[in-house]
Amino acid sequence: GAGVSQSPSNKVTEKGKDVELRCDPISGHTALYWYRQSLGQGLEFLIYFQGNSAPDKSGLPSDRFSAERTGGSVSTLTIQRTQQEDSAVYLCASSLDRGRSTEAFFGQGTRLTVV
Amino acid sequence: DAKTTQPNSMESNEEEPVHLPCNHSTISGTDYIHWYRQLPSQGPEYVIHGLTSNVNNRMASLAIAEDRKSSTLILHRATLRDAAVYYCILRDGAGGTSYGKLTFGQGTILTVHP
Repeated sequence: GAGVSQSPSNKVTEKGKDVELRCDPISGHTALYWYRQSLGQGLEFLIYFQGNSAPDKSGLPSDRFSAERTGGSVSTLTIQRTQQEDSAVYLCASSLDRGRSTEAFFGQGTRLTVV
Repeated sequence: DAKTTQPNSMESNEEEPVHLPCNHSTISGTDYIHWYRQLPSQGPEYVIHGLTSNVNNRMASLAIAEDRKSSTLILHRATLRDAAVYYCILRDGAGGTSYGKLTFGQGTILTVHP
């Protein structure tokens, strides 16, 4: 595909359930980023990958959140035992590498609603 | 992470130039200055970036102060489609685990009046 693809675009889940959010980066991009954006707020950094490894996991809010990336491509963000405060738009971005001068391309996000 | 400071909001009229300021007094010598914007209900999109010299592209111009402690994004002729939140970001160049990390602040909400 031409851009970063995220699925599902919308997800409604019951409190306490686990959810998986998927990100397909642009082919060949080695750096991949996850962000969270609550209603009316800015982007909150969660985690980023360089290849399959995650040098910086500092933004994950709790141990209910985890992410993995396989084959240097697709990434999955998993939220266990979802809470209402997890409701937000989850955005994924990729860039050719994590170099300071490269631009990041964002997906359209997954809107997660926990009821 | 080095921080940036932007006005919460700005307004402009259509067809007029817009100058969006950003202060980054703690910038390090290796940090690049990036600008992204987020249109309503969309993911952010890249606008422009620079290190020391002023930069131009089809979307905008970036003017960087000589001491690099501030920069200004210039939209030469605002259109209604430019209404968005504009983020000024320092892309970490210090190395280590944060190298290349993009940390977003609150940004500037730009309103464009017809």
